[in-house]
Amino acid sequence: GAGVSQSPSNKVTEKGKDVELRCDPISGHTALYWYRQSLGQGLEFLIYFQGNSAPDKSGLPSDRFSAERTGGSVSTLTIQRTQQEDSAVYLCASTIMGGSGKTQYFGPGTRLLVL
Amino acid sequence: SQQGEEDPQALSIQEGENATMNCSYKTSINNLQWYRQNSGRGLVHLILIRSNEREKHSGRLRVTLDTSKKSSSLLITASRAADTASYFCATVLQTGANNLFFGTGTRLTVIP
Repeated sequence: GAGVSQSPSNKVTEKGKDVELRCDPISGHTALYWYRQSLGQGLEFLIYFQGNSAPDKSGLPSDRFSAERTGGSVSTLTIQRTQQEDSAVYLCASTIMGGSGKTQYFGPGTRLLVL
Repeated sequence: SQQGEEDPQALSIQEGENATMNCSYKTSINNLQWYRQNSGRGLVHLILIRSNEREKHSGRLRVTLDTSKKSSSLLITASRAADTASYFCATVLQTGANNLFFGTGTRLTVIP
């Protein structure tokens, strides 16, 4: 079956522009996560969706970052007024349900470069 | 920060040798997971060890966990060139949420 997919795979944008990154989780997975991986750094948790519950936004670095998950499936991560420090690989992961101890399946990521 | 740290940052070994990577973390955990990332690819889950476990095996992988020292190690035995990748440990806290806190990774190079 298909794994987690993300689009675009690469995005180059100019400072100040808005970008939208998309994640298609594995069908049937109710929990979805966004992470950011900056060059030379570990992954950083951004936001977590679980079913119809309010998302855990505790990892979002600023109010320029937001995410939605429509219909409990596809998610979009939006970065407004991008800055050069937003350049990173943005990874999405899903699990069959929330709670601890569940394996997260990662997508290939979107590599964002802000010029 | 709850982010863990891996040690070493980079490791280069000959094919057939064993590779050991270490991970330290700061807060109490529910479980610890190891992931592998090939260059330019997403992460692949390797193994999960729960806080009440001390050792776990999966094929050529052996993971240990010492909660008193807040550390874990990943051993890859009889390494292969295809094992070349970055390896990350990630912790899940006791709070019940499943978001992962990743370390900075160890870059493993296995020389054929």
